[in-house]
Amino acid sequence: QSVLTQTPSASETPGQRVTISCSGSSSNIGTNTVSWYQQLPGTAPKLLIYGNNQRPSGVPDQFSASKSGTSASLAISGLQSEDEADYYCAAWDDSLNGYVFGTGTYVTVL
Amino acid sequence: QVQLQESGPGPVKPSQTVSLTCTVSGDSVNSGNYYWSWIRQPAGKGLEWIGRFRSSWNINYNPSLKSRVTISIDTSRNHVSLKLSSVTAADTAVYYCARAVDSWSGYYADYWGQGTLVTVSS
Repeated sequence: QSVLTQTPSASETPGQRVTISCSGSSSNIGTNTVSWYQQLPGTAPKLLIYGNNQRPSGVPDQFSASKSGTSASLAISGLQSEDEADYYCAAWDDSLNGYVFGTGTYVTVL
Repeated sequence: QVQLQESGPGPVKPSQTVSLTCTVSGDSVNSGNYYWSWIRQPAGKGLEWIGRFRSSWNINYNPSLKSRVTISIDTSRNHVSLKLSSVTAADTAVYYCARAVDSWSGYYADYWGQGTLVTVSS
């Protein structure tokens, strides 16, 4: 049972920008930082963003993220076919004392 | 380069206890610098955090699984282990091992294994 809510799918044409939202509560996103993970089909998740908006080494700047209140968003600009994947937000939840993931958003490049 | 590799029994029968191992290379599970975590994903569904281990007095479990889960480390083999008891079909999933950071920039999993499939079936 996911505590963070994401829209199930998003799509855009190549080269365009798509934005994914993640909604939480005061005990998770409202208090703690958000991370984002990319899961290409048939592979393990990969860290995309940490600390709300920080990119690990090797992640291109086409990926950007932000947080406001109890919501967060991930933007993918210059969309390419290889960006087709599931994207999950996540945050520590102080009430559950556990790490919670979003429901996931599948991005389709039309 | 940190690498994690999960291994497990594959198919298990309902009510049994499943034991999974995560072999870590490029880091020490005993360093106390990171959390060693387990996350699972049923086919076609989202990610579910199972729990994490940092030291014997610093272990957290998902409340929904807490009564059935044990995470531990084997320092001699640099392994992270997961035991899940009384399994049912609902525990069928790919199980991932991950290293997690808890720092000024928050909590996040920076390295993941490729996952191992556990199928619960009679």
